[in-house]
Amino acid sequence: ETGVTQTPRHLVMGMTNKKSLKCEQHLGHNAMYWYKQSAKKPLELMFVYSLEERVENNSVPSRFSPECPNSSHLFLHLHTLQPEDSALYLCASSQDLGTGELFFGEGSRLTVL
Amino acid sequence: AQRVTQPEKLLSVFKGAPVELKCNYSYSGSPELFWYVQYSRQRLQLLLRHISRESIKGFTADLNKGETSFHLKKPFAQEEDSAMYYCASYNFNKFYFGSGTKLNVKP
Repeated sequence: ETGVTQTPRHLVMGMTNKKSLKCEQHLGHNAMYWYKQSAKKPLELMFVYSLEERVENNSVPSRFSPECPNSSHLFLHLHTLQPEDSALYLCASSQDLGTGELFFGEGSRLTVL
Repeated sequence: AQRVTQPEKLLSVFKGAPVELKCNYSYSGSPELFWYVQYSRQRLQLLLRHISRESIKGFTADLNKGETSFHLKKPFAQEEDSAMYYCASYNFNKFYFGSGTKLNVKP
């Protein structure tokens, strides 16, 4: 498997559930990102990790909790979400924080009931 | 704050017609500009970046600092160009994406 892989591709959860989204990159990159893509809105940057350290937390509610155990894996833990959190969550990586090209995963489509 | 504006949500053209997807950015420092594309059922991927000054799949984009624009152009659209196109600026370690333009190339 090469590139950026996200699982699950689709997730339906209730507001009281706890679930996690997983992202794995096989590109040897040092920076990883979570983006939220809602209908008719620009991609919203949520979190940025560089060398496993969080360098950006873009005013994201605490019901979203990221985790980066190593430079190849990134998780987004979800807890007591709201229906308005339903969106496509995209993971991306780049060689380093300062390099401009992002490589995206296919996304995890989240529906909160 | 840095902003990227794509004024057209949907652009429909006939095959062989010229196409221009508009992008304007708010000026802050010297941003690096990109176009990303998402074909049906595929992941978002880089199409081109302004510093490379290359033509990809017949597309070009010129950075106009006076107008703070980075419009994407192709002289003769093809059906396989139908996709979502996102303009993005990169500055101060942050990417700012536009809301995207859906290009529909009709046969």
